[in-house]
Amino acid sequence: DTAVSQTPKYLVTQMGNDKSIKCEQNLGHDTMYWYKQDSKKFLKIMFSYNNKELIINETVPNRFSPKSPDKAHLNLHINSLELGDSAVYFCASSLALVGSPLHFGNGTRLTVT
Amino acid sequence: AQKVTQAQTEISVVEKEDVTLDCVYETRDTTYYLFWYKQPPSGELVFLIRRNSFDEQNEISGRYSWNFQKSTSSFNFTITASQVVDSAVYFCALSVKTGTASKLTFGTGTRLQVTL
Repeated sequence: DTAVSQTPKYLVTQMGNDKSIKCEQNLGHDTMYWYKQDSKKFLKIMFSYNNKELIINETVPNRFSPKSPDKAHLNLHINSLELGDSAVYFCASSLALVGSPLHFGNGTRLTVT
Repeated sequence: AQKVTQAQTEISVVEKEDVTLDCVYETRDTTYYLFWYKQPPSGELVFLIRRNSFDEQNEISGRYSWNFQKSTSSFNFTITASQVVDSAVYFCALSVKTGTASKLTFGTGTRLQVTL
Protein backbone atom coordinates (compact mmCIF):
# COMPACT_ATOMS: atom_id res chain seq x y z
CA ASP A 1 0.00 0.00 0.00
CA THR A 2 1.66 3.21 -1.17
CA ALA A 3 1.54 5.89 1.53
CA VAL A 4 2.10 8.96 -0.66
CA SER A 5 1.50 8.44 -4.33
CA GLN A 6 1.93 10.94 -7.10
CA THR A 7 1.20 10.69 -10.78
CA PRO A 8 2.58 10.75 -13.32
CA LYS A 9 6.09 9.53 -12.58
CA TYR A 10 7.44 11.14 -15.74
CA LEU A 11 6.07 14.11 -17.62
CA VAL A 12 7.57 15.41 -20.85
CA THR A 13 5.95 18.43 -22.42
CA GLN A 14 6.64 21.48 -24.53
CA MET A 15 7.09 25.04 -23.45
CA GLY A 16 3.87 26.93 -23.08
CA ASN A 17 1.75 23.92 -22.20
CA ASP A 18 -0.28 23.51 -19.00
CA LYS A 19 0.14 20.36 -16.94
CA SER A 20 -0.95 18.90 -13.62
CA ILE A 21 0.63 16.53 -11.13
CA LYS A 22 -1.61 14.67 -8.73
CA CYS A 23 -0.81 13.58 -5.20
CA GLU A 24 -2.71 11.44 -2.74
CA GLN A 25 -1.81 10.20 0.72
CA ASN A 26 -3.46 7.44 2.73
CA LEU A 27 -1.65 8.09 6.00
CA GLY A 28 -4.42 10.19 7.53
CA HIS A 29 -2.09 13.21 7.68
CA ASP A 30 -3.49 16.72 7.83
CA THR A 31 -0.60 18.52 6.17
CA MET A 32 0.68 18.12 2.63
CA TYR A 33 3.54 19.72 0.76
CA TRP A 34 5.10 20.25 -2.63
CA TYR A 35 8.87 20.35 -2.92
CA LYS A 36 10.97 21.00 -6.01
CA GLN A 37 14.33 19.30 -6.56
CA ASP A 38 16.47 20.94 -9.20
CA SER A 39 19.18 19.42 -11.36
CA LYS A 40 21.75 19.92 -8.60
CA LYS A 41 19.57 17.94 -6.20
CA PHE A 42 18.64 20.98 -4.16
CA LEU A 43 15.27 20.53 -2.43
CA LYS A 44 13.10 23.55 -1.78
CA ILE A 45 9.62 23.84 -0.42
CA MET A 46 7.00 25.37 -2.67
CA PHE A 47 3.68 25.03 -0.85
CA SER A 48 2.08 23.49 2.18
CA TYR A 49 -1.58 22.86 2.93
CA ASN A 50 -3.16 21.94 6.22
CA ASN A 51 -6.61 20.41 5.91
CA LYS A 52 -7.22 22.16 2.58
CA GLU A 53 -5.91 25.52 3.78
CA LEU A 54 -2.77 27.06 2.28
CA ILE A 55 -0.26 27.74 5.05
CA ILE A 56 3.09 27.98 3.28
CA ASN A 57 3.55 29.71 -0.04
CA GLU A 58 7.16 30.28 -0.88
CA THR A 59 8.35 32.57 -3.63
CA VAL A 60 6.95 30.59 -6.50
CA PRO A 61 5.77 32.03 -9.83
CA ASN A 62 2.01 32.33 -9.90
CA ARG A 63 2.00 29.97 -12.88
CA PHE A 64 2.13 27.30 -10.17
CA SER A 65 -1.20 26.75 -8.46
CA PRO A 66 -1.77 24.08 -5.83
CA LYS A 67 -5.24 22.71 -5.26
CA SER A 68 -6.39 20.64 -2.33
CA PRO A 69 -9.89 19.20 -2.80
CA ASP A 70 -9.62 17.37 0.53
CA LYS A 71 -6.92 16.74 3.08
CA ALA A 72 -5.79 13.55 1.39
CA HIS A 73 -5.10 15.21 -1.95
CA LEU A 74 -2.85 18.02 -3.09
CA ASN A 75 -2.49 18.59 -6.79
CA LEU A 76 -0.11 20.93 -8.55
CA HIS A 77 -1.11 22.73 -11.72
CA ILE A 78 1.48 24.53 -13.79
CA ASN A 79 0.53 27.01 -16.52
CA SER A 80 2.64 28.17 -19.43
CA LEU A 81 5.50 25.81 -18.72
CA GLU A 82 9.03 27.13 -19.13
CA LEU A 83 12.36 25.35 -19.62
CA GLY A 84 13.37 26.30 -16.08
CA ASP A 85 10.46 24.37 -14.65
CA SER A 86 12.23 21.12 -15.53
CA ALA A 87 12.86 19.40 -12.20
CA VAL A 88 11.66 16.61 -9.98
CA TYR A 89 8.60 17.54 -7.97
CA PHE A 90 7.97 15.74 -4.71
CA CYS A 91 4.73 15.60 -2.83
CA ALA A 92 4.89 14.91 0.91
CA SER A 93 2.63 14.68 3.92
CA SER A 94 2.99 14.86 7.67
CA LEU A 95 1.03 15.11 10.86
CA ALA A 96 0.14 18.68 11.81
CA LEU A 97 2.66 18.62 14.63
CA VAL A 98 5.89 20.52 14.66
CA GLY A 99 8.75 18.19 14.02
CA SER A 100 6.69 15.50 12.34
CA PRO A 101 8.74 13.78 9.68
CA LEU A 102 7.65 14.27 6.12
CA HIS A 103 6.73 11.21 4.11
CA PHE A 104 7.54 11.76 0.46
CA GLY A 105 6.07 10.40 -2.71
CA ASN A 106 8.40 8.97 -5.34
CA GLY A 107 8.60 12.18 -7.30
CA THR A 108 7.50 13.36 -10.73
CA ARG A 109 10.26 14.13 -13.19
CA LEU A 110 9.08 17.02 -15.33
CA THR A 111 10.98 17.75 -18.53
CA VAL A 112 10.05 20.82 -20.52
CA THR A 113 11.40 20.94 -24.08
CA ALA B 1 15.98 32.28 8.68
CA GLN B 2 17.09 28.69 8.77
CA LYS B 3 20.15 27.29 7.05
CA VAL B 4 21.66 23.83 6.72
CA THR B 5 25.19 23.30 5.43
CA GLN B 6 26.54 20.02 4.17
CA ALA B 7 30.05 20.92 3.18
CA GLN B 8 30.90 17.53 1.71
CA THR B 9 29.54 17.39 -1.79
CA GLU B 10 30.73 13.89 -2.57
CA ILE B 11 32.45 11.13 -0.62
CA SER B 12 33.85 7.89 -2.00
CA VAL B 13 34.74 4.99 0.25
CA VAL B 14 35.53 1.33 -0.15
CA GLU B 15 33.10 -1.16 1.30
CA LYS B 16 33.53 -1.82 5.02
CA GLU B 17 35.05 1.59 5.68
CA ASP B 18 33.37 3.87 8.20
CA VAL B 19 32.19 7.22 6.89
CA THR B 20 30.85 10.36 8.58
CA LEU B 21 28.59 12.84 6.86
CA ASP B 22 28.71 16.33 8.32
CA CYS B 23 25.79 18.65 8.89
CA VAL B 24 25.87 22.13 10.39
CA TYR B 25 22.71 24.14 10.94
CA GLU B 26 21.68 27.69 11.80
CA THR B 27 18.47 28.81 13.44
CA ARG B 28 17.35 31.36 16.02
CA ASP B 29 14.48 29.18 17.15
CA THR B 30 14.99 27.39 20.44
CA THR B 31 12.69 24.56 19.44
CA TYR B 32 13.64 22.81 16.26
CA TYR B 33 14.03 19.38 14.78
CA LEU B 34 16.79 17.85 12.72
CA PHE B 35 16.39 15.11 10.17
CA TRP B 36 18.38 12.91 7.86
CA TYR B 37 16.92 11.62 4.62
CA LYS B 38 18.40 9.18 2.14
CA GLN B 39 17.86 9.42 -1.62
CA PRO B 40 19.08 6.25 -3.34
CA PRO B 41 19.66 6.14 -7.11
CA SER B 42 16.02 5.12 -7.59
CA GLY B 43 15.10 8.65 -6.52
CA GLU B 44 12.73 8.32 -3.58
CA LEU B 45 13.35 10.20 -0.34
CA VAL B 46 13.57 7.95 2.68
CA PHE B 47 13.28 9.27 6.22
CA LEU B 48 16.09 8.01 8.47
CA ILE B 49 15.95 9.87 11.76
CA ARG B 50 14.55 12.86 13.63
CA ARG B 51 16.09 14.64 16.60
CA ASN B 52 14.57 17.49 18.63
CA SER B 53 16.60 20.40 19.96
CA PHE B 54 16.17 19.31 23.57
CA ASP B 55 17.50 15.82 23.15
CA GLU B 56 21.25 15.63 22.64
CA GLN B 57 21.50 11.92 23.20
CA ASN B 58 23.31 10.18 20.42
CA GLU B 59 21.47 7.45 18.63
CA ILE B 60 22.54 4.19 17.08
CA SER B 61 20.48 2.09 14.73
CA GLY B 62 22.35 -0.87 13.37
CA ARG B 63 25.27 0.43 11.33
CA TYR B 64 23.94 4.00 11.50
CA SER B 65 24.67 6.45 14.28
CA TRP B 66 23.99 10.12 14.77
CA ASN B 67 25.90 12.66 16.84
CA PHE B 68 23.99 15.82 17.80
CA GLN B 69 25.98 18.64 19.39
CA LYS B 70 24.16 21.90 20.11
CA SER B 71 27.41 23.60 21.11
CA THR B 72 28.68 23.31 17.55
CA SER B 73 25.24 23.28 15.85
CA SER B 74 26.07 19.98 14.24
CA PHE B 75 24.17 16.80 13.56
CA ASN B 76 26.58 14.34 11.99
CA PHE B 77 25.74 10.94 10.58
CA THR B 78 28.12 7.98 10.67
CA ILE B 79 27.80 4.76 8.73
CA THR B 80 29.89 1.95 10.13
CA ALA B 81 31.19 -0.78 7.85
CA SER B 82 29.65 0.81 4.77
CA GLN B 83 28.04 -1.32 2.10
CA VAL B 84 27.39 -0.76 -1.58
CA VAL B 85 23.66 -0.39 -0.79
CA ASP B 86 24.52 2.69 1.24
CA SER B 87 25.38 4.52 -1.97
CA ALA B 88 22.95 7.43 -2.13
CA VAL B 89 22.60 11.13 -1.63
CA TYR B 90 22.05 11.97 2.01
CA PHE B 91 20.23 15.11 3.07
CA CYS B 92 20.27 16.79 6.43
CA ALA B 93 17.26 18.99 7.16
CA LEU B 94 16.05 21.41 9.80
CA SER B 95 12.46 22.02 10.78
CA VAL B 96 10.88 24.83 12.76
CA LYS B 97 7.23 25.49 13.29
CA THR B 98 5.48 27.50 10.60
CA GLY B 99 1.83 27.71 11.51
CA THR B 100 0.59 24.13 11.56
CA ALA B 101 3.30 22.84 9.24
CA SER B 102 6.82 21.67 9.70
CA LYS B 103 8.78 23.55 7.11
CA LEU B 104 11.86 21.53 6.25
CA THR B 105 14.95 23.38 5.12
CA PHE B 106 17.30 20.96 3.41
CA GLY B 107 21.05 21.00 3.02
CA THR B 108 22.49 20.55 -0.44
CA GLY B 109 23.13 16.86 0.15
CA THR B 110 26.20 14.64 0.25
CA ARG B 111 26.58 12.00 -2.40
CA LEU B 112 28.08 8.85 -0.93
CA GLN B 113 29.62 6.31 -3.29
CA VAL B 114 30.56 2.97 -1.78
CA THR B 115 32.61 0.69 -4.01
CA LEU B 116 33.79 -2.89 -3.69
